Amino acid sequence: QVQLVQSGAEVKKPGASVKVSCKASGYTFTGFYLHWVRQAPGQGLEWMGWINPNTGTTNDAQKFQGRVTMTRDTSITTVYMELNRLRSDDTAVYYCARMATVTTKHFDYWGQGTLVTVSS
Amino acid sequence: DIQMTQSPSSLSASVGDRVTITCRASQSISSNLNWYQQKPGKAPNLLIYAASSLQSGVPSRFSGSGSGTDFTLTISSLQPEDFATYYCQQSSSTPRTFGQGTKVEIK
Repeated sequence: QVQLVQSGAEVKKPGASVKVSCKASGYTFTGFYLHWVRQAPGQGLEWMGWINPNTGTTNDAQKFQGRVTMTRDTSITTVYMELNRLRSDDTAVYYCARMATVTTKHFDYWGQGTLVTVSS
Repeated sequence: DIQMTQSPSSLSASVGDRVTITCRASQSISSNLNWYQQKPGKAPNLLIYAASSLQSGVPSRFSGSGSGTDFTLTISSLQPEDFATYYCQQSSSTPRTFGQGTKVEIK
């Protein structure tokens, strides 16, 4: 069965970086784009970007350009999202999500989420 | 960026009620609209994709309609497990924006 398993919670200081992992299993890793979505406490969902695990190509939201890096390691079917120069308003649960098809582009499987807390 | 606006932001309903949530896009997105359900402390769960296609395993009391800029999620007979927050999301272009959410609460 399809599973996306994310790394554990992190606590970081302002200005630091965080790297969240998302390990995929149960399907062909290189066949599906993976997206990152975050949710601040009590707030809605915010799309951050995607990575094509086959080519390594990425596309991230303008808001995060220059601060976010998405990478993958095909040997261990894992994608990573690194966010730099953390601020207190980056405190959120970060999710990876699989994009089902390039036609309908919906997210059919989600990771369990990783809480990143930014606090001095 | 395409803005997605849901209404209402919250609603109170009873078990068995018919519930309708609307989502409006700031420009035409054809049928590139998805609906997710999220319960507290959990990841979102896909309900409807491409405006009206029911995701496998989702109960048939959920349905979606619309195209262009105006979309609707309907729950035909609200069940206790349906109390949650619902989000629409456009998949027409990046950034893949979400609506602000609609919280469905017990009356």
